[in-house]
Amino acid sequence: SQQGEEDPQALSIQEGENATMNCSYKTSINNLQWYRQNSGRGLVHLILIRSNEREKHSGRLRVTLDTSKKSSSLLITASRAADTASYFCAGPGSGTYKYIFGTGTRLKVLA
Amino acid sequence: DAGVIQSPRHEVTEMGQEVTLRCKPISGHDYLFWYRQTMMRGLELLIYFNNNVPIDDSGMPEDRFSAKMPNASFSTLKIQPSEPRDSAVYFCASRHRGTHEQYFGPGTRLTVT
Repeated sequence: SQQGEEDPQALSIQEGENATMNCSYKTSINNLQWYRQNSGRGLVHLILIRSNEREKHSGRLRVTLDTSKKSSSLLITASRAADTASYFCAGPGSGTYKYIFGTGTRLKVLA
Repeated sequence: DAGVIQSPRHEVTEMGQEVTLRCKPISGHDYLFWYRQTMMRGLELLIYFNNNVPIDDSGMPEDRFSAKMPNASFSTLKIQPSEPRDSAVYFCASRHRGTHEQYFGPGTRLTVT
């Protein structure tokens, strides 16, 4: 079963705009991760947010976590064509080291 | 470090044949994960190892799938016999104990005709 489901499934924006992706999960978590996947490549870890954090920043990335709503969002500011990729959230499944990945959001940034 | 290494990168085989996918994790990483990615089912965890021992294989779809990790630097995922519905991209990932970040390999694109 999927721990995370991203919304929207696909997003197309112009370069320079902000992109927001949302993730909803089912069970209680102690942390949630976001990954990026470029076409034809493996996933790359972007950021981890713990359950006691509400917001975290890394460069142009901002992640929020609302444990009461079981949801997280990833904001990419001032998007670039190179940000074109699929973005996945991942939450722990049963067992501390087992992560379940969501369905992903396909982001396309138009130059 | 070269990162997680997978081979082959592409594999085309006929239904009924045995397929072996290989993975070399990052040196020093204690955990190794095998995933399968398809358009229909997304990214699915098949099995993961801790210190070369299989911990959770509940994601392995059928007995046709098997995975081994004979040492800390090598793992295989075998499908025997292969079927067209096994066509997917198979990823290997590793991580160090005490961290949550997984490092993914480039994947093996498997096509079973």
